[in-house]
Amino acid sequence: NAGVTQTPKFRILKIGQSMTLQCTQDMNHNYMYWYRQDPGMGLKLIYYSVGAGITDKGEVPNGYNVSRSTTEDFPLRLELAAPSQTSVYFCASSYQSGNTEAFFGQGTRLTVV
Amino acid sequence: AQTVTQSQPEMSVQEAETVTLSCTYDTSESDYYLFWYKQPPSRQMILVIRQEAYKQQNATENRFSVNFQKAAKSFSLKISDSQLGDAAMYFCAYRSARGAQKLVFGQGTRLTINP
Repeated sequence: NAGVTQTPKFRILKIGQSMTLQCTQDMNHNYMYWYRQDPGMGLKLIYYSVGAGITDKGEVPNGYNVSRSTTEDFPLRLELAAPSQTSVYFCASSYQSGNTEAFFGQGTRLTVV
Repeated sequence: AQTVTQSQPEMSVQEAETVTLSCTYDTSESDYYLFWYKQPPSRQMILVIRQEAYKQQNATENRFSVNFQKAAKSFSLKISDSQLGDAAMYFCAYRSARGAQKLVFGQGTRLTINP
């Protein structure tokens, strides 16, 4: 079982460039989430989805966009990258039941220079 | 909105000793779940232990146990017989039982194990 797979693991972007962080899960989870983790801090929610075709903003959505065309995939798009978006990004998924474990990808370390 | 606070940015403990990490949270909901996640240098988020708010009994997983005080909104993690492999960042997290069941994380506590 692959679980939650994120690509790439590392990326350096120049200011103003765009990129897509890929996330896919093979556990048939309805719920998927994107978090960012700044150095020495906890994880903050960027966007989330409760099923294919349904997405909503989290705590820090500015500068990002998402889509959820299938149950498996939940890509995160960065438009016009800024230094403030330098962070580690985590994708997570879970079943529609609060006490179940949320599974996390390995994270993407993004640096904007 | 729910918030989670971890007031100890760093903790250290001698190998084989016991350490307790603190966590408090704020919510107006009565039904929710609480978690402790471990993040080693590999960055992987690993579930350590979970607690359902409707259960009075504190959760236990081998050397890890919690002290859940619902009225005080407190959820501390006790690690017994600390091992070198326990060194990591530890995050307390809250999850609502309703809606999108988003995880809300504390700021984390960096745990160092001294040999």
